[in-house]
Amino acid sequence: SQTIHQWPATLVQPVGSPLSLECTVEGTSNPNLYWYRQAAGRGLQLLFYSVGIGQISSEVPQNLSASRPQDRQFILSSKKLLLSDSGFYLCAWDRTGLAHEQYFGPGTRLTVT
Amino acid sequence: DQQVKQNSPSLSVQEGRISILNCDYTNSMFDYFLWYKKYPAEGPTFLISISSIKDKNEDGRFTVFLNKSAKHLSLHIVPSQPGDSAVYFCAASAVQGAQKLVFGQGTRLTINP
Repeated sequence: SQTIHQWPATLVQPVGSPLSLECTVEGTSNPNLYWYRQAAGRGLQLLFYSVGIGQISSEVPQNLSASRPQDRQFILSSKKLLLSDSGFYLCAWDRTGLAHEQYFGPGTRLTVT
Repeated sequence: DQQVKQNSPSLSVQEGRISILNCDYTNSMFDYFLWYKKYPAEGPTFLISISSIKDKNEDGRFTVFLNKSAKHLSLHIVPSQPGDSAVYFCAASAVQGAQKLVFGQGTRLTINP
């Protein structure tokens, strides 16, 4: 069966510090991978998606970047965090060409102070 | 530009009764619709979906209805149970290289004993 992991589960970082969130998927190959953010009281906003190694598409201009160094690894980064980067970050995966359902990881709660 | 809207931020229903959650969309290119359930501090879990070629899909206590002419879908839960208390997101997608989902803002459902 497939599983998706995210770490850390929670993170408190000062403004201006760097960020690295990691997501890995097990039990499948060549998944599409996604990063979402849920800000307080709001829906899920798609930040980045990737259809393969090294292929990253950005949905919104922002202070964040993403990378996919391996088939089942997706990393969300920032060089300098802003207060507005606080939120709940979710990684998701699905299979190319098959059903539309995406499967989400447990999320990372990021608080920028 | 909110392409998927859930106009009710919260809904309270008595245990055993029917819960009806609503969702409207504006993009006529959407061809697949999904409902996700989310508990606090966890990732969303896929609940049920419907293709635009259908107007109803049922899975146990959960039924999703799609009215394409009105660009409206709804999720019916009957009978409602305390464990159904969560935030429910509707999502929509149009077939692309990566199947990007557009989420609504979510509706918090509370089931009262």
